[in-house]
Amino acid sequence: GQSLEQPSEVTAVEGAIVQINCTYQTSGFYGLSWYQQHDGGAPTFLSYNALDGLEETGRFSSFLSRSDSYGYLLLQELQMKDSASYFCAVKTGGFKTIFGAGTRLFVKA
Amino acid sequence: DTAVSQTPKYLVTQMGNDKSIKCEQNLGHDTMYWYKQDSKKFLKIMFSYNNKELIINETVPNRFSPKSPDKAHLNLHINSLELGDSAVYFCASSQEGTALSEAFFGQGTRLTVV
Repeated sequence: GQSLEQPSEVTAVEGAIVQINCTYQTSGFYGLSWYQQHDGGAPTFLSYNALDGLEETGRFSSFLSRSDSYGYLLLQELQMKDSASYFCAVKTGGFKTIFGAGTRLFVKA
Repeated sequence: DTAVSQTPKYLVTQMGNDKSIKCEQNLGHDTMYWYKQDSKKFLKIMFSYNNKELIINETVPNRFSPKSPDKAHLNLHINSLELGDSAVYFCASSQEGTALSEAFFGQGTRLTVV
């Protein structure tokens, strides 16, 4: 089967740094994406890693290790508006991306 | 301008009815998808279409029938609705063959079957 594992919930305080991990087991692998979804909203794209290493976009960074089937999303200088669900997603082949169950991030003042 | 738009946003209907959800994208993408998000927020791919052709059908009951009249539109028709069909349905689009693999999602259709 195919699976993506990520923590169900993470809590952090404003201004802190939080890391959301994702491990995957899939029949194919083209790359790992991260999406953010606020309650009642649509998933929005944050980042994509096709190769090993760290990608940085502003306060968000994403890391991939293909040999470990592992990646993470790092959020720095947390703000209240970062409270949302974060999904890792694996592009397993042409035209198919499967999503993890999501990590709900709570940011406290 | 909305990149991926789907209608309606809310749909409440009785068991056994037939309903449709429409989706349009103005991004010029060649690939469109339907995802189902259940009450636990699990996002599951249902279908993907590339240039109007069905590429992926993820063992979805045949009561669900997608239709793509052109590559900018992907509609979803559901027959004989069941309570378990209650969920949020998201349409999405992407351009295959690009390095980024970013998918753009519509705002979702919250379907409630009573």
